[in-house]
Amino acid sequence: GAGVSQSPSNKVTEKGKDVELRCDPISGHTALYWYRQSLGQGLEFLIYFQGNSAPDKSGLPSDRFSAERTGGSVSTLTIQRTQQEDSAVYLCASSYGQEAFFGQGTRLTVV
Amino acid sequence: GIQVEQSPPDLILQEGANSTLRCNFSDSVNNLQWFHQNPWGQLINLFYIPSGTKQNGRLSATTVATERYSLLYISSSQTTDSGVYFCAVDPGTYKYIFGTGTRLKVLA
Repeated sequence: GAGVSQSPSNKVTEKGKDVELRCDPISGHTALYWYRQSLGQGLEFLIYFQGNSAPDKSGLPSDRFSAERTGGSVSTLTIQRTQQEDSAVYLCASSYGQEAFFGQGTRLTVV
Repeated sequence: GIQVEQSPPDLILQEGANSTLRCNFSDSVNNLQWFHQNPWGQLINLFYIPSGTKQNGRLSATTVATERYSLLYISSSQTTDSGVYFCAVDPGTYKYIFGTGTRLKVLA
């Protein structure tokens, strides 16, 4: 596609439910990133995938968070047993080389 | 880990004014980008600039890697320039670390 695509754009879920957020990177981009942005804050790194290498999960805030990338393309970020503090915008980015391009984000609200 | 500081945190300009935004980082970096986050939350790439100077229309950027800072210049500001400007650096770990941003408001 022309850019990084994320779905859904908005997600409202009840506390304790699991959610899945999807990211379609730019075709041919080997690197994929997930970031989280809480209201009025900067971007917090979550996880990084590069090709077939083991992902860098150093930013995941708890074991309720996990992510996978299938076939070196689409990625899914899963949050289990959601908590209110998980409410944020989740942003995905991809790159080939050094410059990263971001999707429009998924706004997650946990009620 | 590397620290990224942006200044000023907030900036209000009259339309047509010029401004300079600064990004200081505490360690050497391999990559550096400037982004504009518009009021709808979309991050727009402005510059990929690990060193040197680039210009794109009314915007230009300079990174002095040896002195660990980057500057973003906005000339003849317009109301559409409003939003948050982020500097992001990669210290060689392949993940970008973001500064806290400069919130810009341009008044008509």
